[in-house]
Amino acid sequence: EVQLVESGGGLVQPGGSLRLSCAASGFTFSSYDMHWVRQATGKGLEWVSAIGTAGDTYYPGSVKGRFTISRENAKNSLYLQMNSLRAGDTAVYYCAREGATGGLDYWGQGTLVTVSS
Amino acid sequence: QSALTQPASVSGSPGQSITISCTGTSSDVGSYNLVSWYQQHPGKAPKLMIYEVSKRPSGVSNRFSGSKSGNTASLTISGLQAEDEADYYCCSYAGSSSYVFGTGTKVTVL
Repeated sequence: EVQLVESGGGLVQPGGSLRLSCAASGFTFSSYDMHWVRQATGKGLEWVSAIGTAGDTYYPGSVKGRFTISRENAKNSLYLQMNSLRAGDTAVYYCAREGATGGLDYWGQGTLVTVSS
Repeated sequence: QSALTQPASVSGSPGQSITISCTGTSSDVGSYNLVSWYQQHPGKAPKLMIYEVSKRPSGVSNRFSGSKSGNTASLTISGLQAEDEADYYCCSYAGSSSYVFGTGTKVTVL
């Protein structure tokens, strides 16, 4: 069974940093592109970053230069390093697998990041 | 990259059909057949319902169907059921390995 389990969320002050982790199981992690998607309370989904099987990385303008996605295939783990955090980054962060179909076919349960003083 | 535009809410009675639109631009929806749709119940993670505009993952009811015309994609739910009440989001590839989600639509079963 495919499972994605996020961790590392919490309360951080504006300007601070946080590292999220996503533990994957039930599939060959190294063979799939992976994504982070976030959702502020009561708001819609926002694509945050993606990493290919070769380690190539992609970001939208809203987080480029502040967030870094990475993966450690030996540990079946995905990471999101978030720096220079702002109040607007407050959200539940989901990791998701991009299936061969191109859609995000499996999602974790999410981890809450709160940026506040 | 601006969010794709969806109606805030759509409602229907049990057994009816409803359609949710997702309007983008020629840089995203209009350029790629890589539109997907997600269902999200309160407090839950999103679930993939449609990929590549009109394809259904294994296990998703055939009451859900997708289509696209120009810069607008659509999700149709036929034979509406109480369990279909949820938020729905479209998502499109937008080039340069970037993606954009829709604003989301709340579906209410009357």
